[in-house]
Amino acid sequence: NAGVTQTPKFQVLKTGQSMTLQCAQDMNHEYMSWYRQDPGMGLRLIHYSVGAGITDQGEVPNGYNVSRSTTEDFPLRLLSAAPSQTSVYFCASTLDGRDTEAFFGQGTRLTVV
Amino acid sequence: GEDVEQSLFLSVREGDSSVINCTYTDSSSTYLYWYKQEPGAGLQLLTYIFSNMDMKQDQRLTVLLNKKDKHLSLRIADTQTGDSAIYFCAESISRSASGGSYIPTFGRGTSLIVHP
Repeated sequence: NAGVTQTPKFQVLKTGQSMTLQCAQDMNHEYMSWYRQDPGMGLRLIHYSVGAGITDQGEVPNGYNVSRSTTEDFPLRLLSAAPSQTSVYFCASTLDGRDTEAFFGQGTRLTVV
Repeated sequence: GEDVEQSLFLSVREGDSSVINCTYTDSSSTYLYWYKQEPGAGLQLLTYIFSNMDMKQDQRLTVLLNKKDKHLSLRIADTQTGDSAIYFCAESISRSASGGSYIPTFGRGTSLIVHP
């Protein structure tokens, strides 16, 4: 049981490039979320999904797209990378939302130059 | 992290007790959580408390909940250098106007530094 797997672990992008951060979970969790972690800012919610085919915005969605075509996968796309998107990105899943433990991936450290 | 507030740093001596405080906003939260993040890793659930409880003890950890003041604290007894990490308070907040879609919302995290 791998839990939540994120790839890649590290990435350097040039300004304007696009890329997709991958997230997969094998626990049959309905809810999945993407957060970014910046020093002094804690974890801020980017996008989330409450099931396959359903996504919604969090607090900081600009510059990111998501889709949820399967229960297992929840990729995060950076459309045109900017230095302000330099951060550590975490994917998390919960069984069905309320009052359940969130399981986190190991994070993707992204640097945009 | 606007809905959940924590102080950013706490420094303690090894062997002392640590107390990390948190205030939250959603009075409908049924569970409140403490997560721990070690360097270079994701967050892991440390402990949680059900909202109808005032206190929960789990080995060296004691969670106190003051629901009236929406205040949550985590006490670590006999703090060790291995406890050095970032500790996040979290609640699940409904993201839907009709209710449901509860997504964990985290505070900014408290960096606990344990020195000899």
